[in-house]
Amino acid sequence: SQQGEEDPQALSIQEGENATMNCSYKTSINNLQWYRQNSGRGLVHLILIRSNEREKHSGRLRVTLDTSKKSSSLLITASRAADTASYFCATVLLNYGGSQGNLIFGKGTKLSVKP
Amino acid sequence: EPEVTQTPSHQVTQMGQEVILRCVPISNHLYFYWYRQILGQKVEFLVSFYNNEISEKSEIFDDQFSVERPDGSNFTLKIRSTKLEDSAMYFCASSGGLAGGQFFGPGTRLTVL
Repeated sequence: SQQGEEDPQALSIQEGENATMNCSYKTSINNLQWYRQNSGRGLVHLILIRSNEREKHSGRLRVTLDTSKKSSSLLITASRAADTASYFCATVLLNYGGSQGNLIFGKGTKLSVKP
Repeated sequence: EPEVTQTPSHQVTQMGQEVILRCVPISNHLYFYWYRQILGQKVEFLVSFYNNEISEKSEIFDDQFSVERPDGSNFTLKIRSTKLEDSAMYFCASSGGLAGGQFFGPGTRLTVL
């Protein structure tokens, strides 16, 4: 897998259902961030989870991180039509990979929530 | 809530022309970035900027590209001689620290004809 690869590529659910998106990565990370992008628009920062954290919550969002499996999941509970967007995970490499913390993005999961 | 702003929202230019994309990062942030996203593809890192100099740049960021922070608020990306393949959405981002989240602007859609 590539650094930051989301699964599934596309997900279609009904309003009220939960949506789970997964992200896998190859190289050890400092932190992992999830972003949302509405079609043709900017990236909205959702949540950041550090490598020493296992789970974080923010409103209807729950993010888990399993560094032994090099994977993360984003759960959106009680989804709404307004949650329809692409969701990306992005990693910052451990020790920043010698960088200034630049993000490595995956290709994203396209979520469609039907009313 | 403070946010990153970018202008223009859409820029159309002829191949070979110079373009300057402008960004105003969040005011107390110290780390600045440019990314781009070609239609239908991943968001790709271009360059990071800290303490008034480039910290890191990707292979995409060749001699045609430059960045500047001309004053205390603006952060610009210049493409000297645009090519068709430079057509993309360009995002500016800023962060308060290396370990913090990066906050993105709404992007500038660059179309090179």
